[in-house]
Amino acid sequence: DAGITQSPRHKVTETGTPVTLRCHQTENHRYMYWYRQDPGHGLRLIHYSYGVKDTDKGEVSDGYSVSRSKTEDFLLTLESATSSQTSVYFCAISESEAAFGELFFGEGSRLTVL
Amino acid sequence: GNSVTQMEGPVTLSEEAFLTINCTYTATGYPSLFWYVQYPGEGLQLLLKATKADDKGSNKGFEATYRKETTSFHLEKGSVQVSDSAVYFCALRRNTGFQKLVFGTGTRLLVSP
Repeated sequence: DAGITQSPRHKVTETGTPVTLRCHQTENHRYMYWYRQDPGHGLRLIHYSYGVKDTDKGEVSDGYSVSRSKTEDFLLTLESATSSQTSVYFCAISESEAAFGELFFGEGSRLTVL
Repeated sequence: GNSVTQMEGPVTLSEEAFLTINCTYTATGYPSLFWYVQYPGEGLQLLLKATKADDKGSNKGFEATYRKETTSFHLEKGSVQVSDSAVYFCALRRNTGFQKLVFGTGTRLLVSP
């Protein structure tokens, strides 16, 4: 199994509070992604990174920011959480441009915003 | 734009039944196609892939053929097991430059003994 660790795995928070989810990989893969999974929507890309300090927006990036200061860590931050951000968040990694589509996923972080 | 359409679930089958989960896609050019599987409480895992027309991807008894003429990539298995119960996602990725993976909404499969 790919070495991907997400933390926390479960979090309950209140509207308006900041939340940071962490993804840590031990594979030294260049590309990292944050997805959210919601019923009826499948997986939707929030942000992705193609190298240290190199990030870009996905299709549902509003209300989220990311940072990648080291190859192994990719942080997703909700500056002020809203109930619409209640979801399961998955981190994924891929090795190279040639391997796009072949993603390895973490086990997910379930976030509930009350 | 690029999109993937999957059949709505859940699909409920008895053990040893034949499985088909339909997937059709819309894309410019010739994308690569993928099936991912998500077991309860876990992240997604790549099940199989096909990178060009008429390619057949296969793994763990599952197979899917890339049909350009019908823009389809249906997942099949001849005899399902209870352990195949999971959510299955079809996905595509265009093959030019850095292209993100686009997922379908997922189809839940429930297999009973």
